[in-house]
Amino acid sequence: AQSVTQLGSHVSVSEGALVLLRCNYSSSVPPYLFWYVQYPNQGLQLLLKYTSAATLVKGINGFEAEFKKSETSFHLTKPSAHMSDAAEYFCAVSGGSSSRAQKLVFGQGTRLTINP
Amino acid sequence: EAGVVQSPRYKIIEKKQPVAFWCNPISGHNTLYWYLQNLGQGPELLIRYENEEAVDDSQLPKDRFSAERLKGVDSTLKIQPAELGDSAVYLCASSLRRGTNTGELFFGEGSRLTVL
Repeated sequence: AQSVTQLGSHVSVSEGALVLLRCNYSSSVPPYLFWYVQYPNQGLQLLLKYTSAATLVKGINGFEAEFKKSETSFHLTKPSAHMSDAAEYFCAVSGGSSSRAQKLVFGQGTRLTINP
Repeated sequence: EAGVVQSPRYKIIEKKQPVAFWCNPISGHNTLYWYLQNLGQGPELLIRYENEEAVDDSQLPKDRFSAERLKGVDSTLKIQPAELGDSAVYLCASSLRRGTNTGELFFGEGSRLTVL
């Protein structure tokens, strides 16, 4: 079984500052890991994904995340925040290629606020 | 390419009334998911289809919820009768056939239900 814990339901940073959203996972098999973004009244959009290739993954809008197996973490970062980054961010895990199930399990989400 | 299409976007009903949501997945996507998203929380899986077959419906409250995916394309999620606690966003997602994808799900914009 898989689970995800996102540390911090709300994160607030100044425009131009570093963004760091934390995600820890639990999985009984090698996981696939994802970050999704959700803007108000919209569906979820994929930011980036880890699927057992490079541990440092680059996504859209300047975001990246690093898979650290020893820490069971997959934190999301962006060097310089932009006002348009304000949204809800969800970390998710699935069982990967070794799993029969393609069930994606989501964390509770982190609301990112950007201060001008 | 068209994304996942859901309707209606918004629905307001009185408690004990029925309601139905419709989803058209991305063309060629054999796997279809219905997720429930309560306010301020991450999506939770209700049911997953592989073509016409519901392969994971363990989280679907079967006393009042039902779903179908006739012909393995469009899907309908029904609630009858609706309760106040059903107020939430119902997200539909689709993905490629198991074994050929990397677990990425593509989401629709969601159907927001308000039960009065």
